[in-house]
This record gives sequence, C-alpha cells and structure tokens, in this order.
Amino acid sequence: AQKITQTQPGMFVQEKEAVTLDCTYDTSDPSYGLFWYKQPSSGEMIFLIYQGSYDQQNATEGRYSLNFQKARKSANLVISASQLGDSAMYFCAMRVGYSTLTFGKGTMLLVSP
Amino acid sequence: EPEVTQTPSHQVTQMGQEVILRCVPISNHLYFYWYRQILGQKVEFLVSFYNNEISEKSEIFDDQFSVERPDGSNFTLKIRSTKLEDSAMYFCASGGVHYDNEQFFGPGTRLTVL
Repeated sequence: AQKITQTQPGMFVQEKEAVTLDCTYDTSDPSYGLFWYKQPSSGEMIFLIYQGSYDQQNATEGRYSLNFQKARKSANLVISASQLGDSAMYFCAMRVGYSTLTFGKGTMLLVSP
Repeated sequence: EPEVTQTPSHQVTQMGQEVILRCVPISNHLYFYWYRQILGQKVEFLVSFYNNEISEKSEIFDDQFSVERPDGSNFTLKIRSTKLEDSAMYFCASGGVHYDNEQFFGPGTRLTVL
C-alpha cells in the first residue's frame, strides 16, 4: 500500500526567503508520480508541481521546485522567494500506476512580512 | 484557462436526505474523480471514473454513494441518505488523456449535514 508522510504540521517563513516542505513516500512499485497541491483558506486545491519516478531532472515550475531524492524516497517542495500569498496548506500526494492519489496530512505554511 | 467547476459551493441538508453534487470537468479530460476532506483532515479518495464506469473506489464509497456522467459534460456524486459524518468538503477532479496526467481539482462543495 502507498503511504505519504508530511512530518511538519506547520512552518513559518519570512517574506522573500526560501522554504522547504518535507514529504516522504513509501511504495514498492517502480512507477509512480508525486504531486504537490496548495490549499488556501478558501478551500480549493491548486495543482503546483509533478514529478514522475523515471524523470531524470527535478521538476520546476516558476518559484516551485521539487527536490526529488529517489533513494531516500523523498519529494520535498522548495518555494523560493516566499510571498504573503503563499500562506496556505500544502499537500503532497502520490499516484502509483493506474491508481488514484494518496495524500499526506499536509503542512500549514505561514509567510510573515 | 479551462477549469473544473462544481455546484453548489455549499449545501446544507438534513440527515437522511439525498444530495447530488455536481461537477463539470475540463472538456477534453477522460478521467474523473471525487475526493472528500473532512474539516481539518487530509484529502481522501472516494471514486474514479473512466470510460463511463467506475475504475476504482475506496472503502468510504459504500452503497450510499453513486456517480454518474449523465450527459457527457456533467459528473455527479449522489449520496442517497446522508449521515452526520458525511459533512465534509467534496472535491471533483479531472485528468487528461493519460492516466498519469496531473489531476485538476474543482473549488469544492462544502456539505453540511444537520
């Protein structure tokens, strides 16, 4: 069975600084995908970034990058130059093969001025 | 930019009543999903739908739940007889032509069962 672990219930960062949100996963299947979603206080789920298990390069999308360490089974999200609007809940999720998404418990990020 | 839409944004119902939550996925997507998130908890998978049938469902998705794609654009989740513990945010998501495409979520429907 797949498992996603996010060990940081909350993180604080100052505006313009970088922050890393941790995510570790567990699966025995060699083919999987890792996703990060942002959930602001309004409740919607916003897709941020995707990393496939066979991708050679770490995924990047604007200020978001995914630090993918396959041997350690970690897929940490790095947000560079934090903005006040980045304050939200962040969920790491995994899909194995044709299955659907399994989510972690989330990390609440608060960005202060 | 195309997006997933959901209606209503908030539904209040009495225990034992039937509710239908509606979703319009992104038009060229082939994979459709329902998830729920009880307040303060993580997002949980309910059901996935492909080629006009359920492709996977979780333990949560019992006989009280059903899904339909009645007209080629809408994707609905029906809860036959709501319970207090069904109170949650329900998200619809859709994915592209390949199973490993990212899933785009709708804004959610907050269901409150009294």
